[in-house]
Amino acid sequence: SQTIHQWPATLVQPVGSPLSLECTVEGTSNPNLYWYRQAAGRGLQLLFYSVGIGQISSEVPQNLSASRPQDRQFILSSKKLLLSDSGFYLCAWSVIEEFGNTIYFGEGSWLTVV
Amino acid sequence: GENVEQHPSTLSVQEGDSAVIKCTYSDSASNYFPWYKQELGKRPQLIIDIRSNVGEKKDQRIAVTLNKTAKHFSLHITETQPEDSAVYFCAASVDNYGQNFVFGPGTRLSVLP
Repeated sequence: SQTIHQWPATLVQPVGSPLSLECTVEGTSNPNLYWYRQAAGRGLQLLFYSVGIGQISSEVPQNLSASRPQDRQFILSSKKLLLSDSGFYLCAWSVIEEFGNTIYFGEGSWLTVV
Repeated sequence: GENVEQHPSTLSVQEGDSAVIKCTYSDSASNYFPWYKQELGKRPQLIIDIRSNVGEKKDQRIAVTLNKTAKHFSLHITETQPEDSAVYFCAASVDNYGQNFVFGPGTRLSVLP
């Protein structure tokens, strides 16, 4: 079966520091991969999606970037964090299935920028 | 692009009563409509989904209805229980690539004992 791993689960970072969140998917090949952000009590904001290695599309201009160095690995990065980057970050994956292109989420990473 | 609206934003019901959450979408090409449940501090999890060639789908106490002509779909929860308390998200997608996967803003459901 397919599983998705995301880490770290929580982190507290000072303003201006770098960020790296990592996500890997197991049990599937060539998945679509996504990074979402959720501010406290808010909805799901799509940040990046990728349909293949090295193929990254950005949905929202920001100081974040994403990379996909391997088929099942997706990394979210920032060179300098802002206070507004605080939130719950969710990695997700999907494959085109017979009955729908369902998205499955990782456990999430809580980021607090102080 | 696709736009998904969801109502109400908050909903409180007594335990045992029914709850209904409604979503509308704008892109007539959307053909897949999942619902996710997110408990406090946890990830959203798929609870039920429906495709455009089906008008209704049911799974125990949960059902989803779809009206393609009106471009709206609804989640129905019967005999609500305290563990149903969570935030529910609807979404609309076209079955080719996930970049067309658009979520509604969410409904916070509280089931009062």
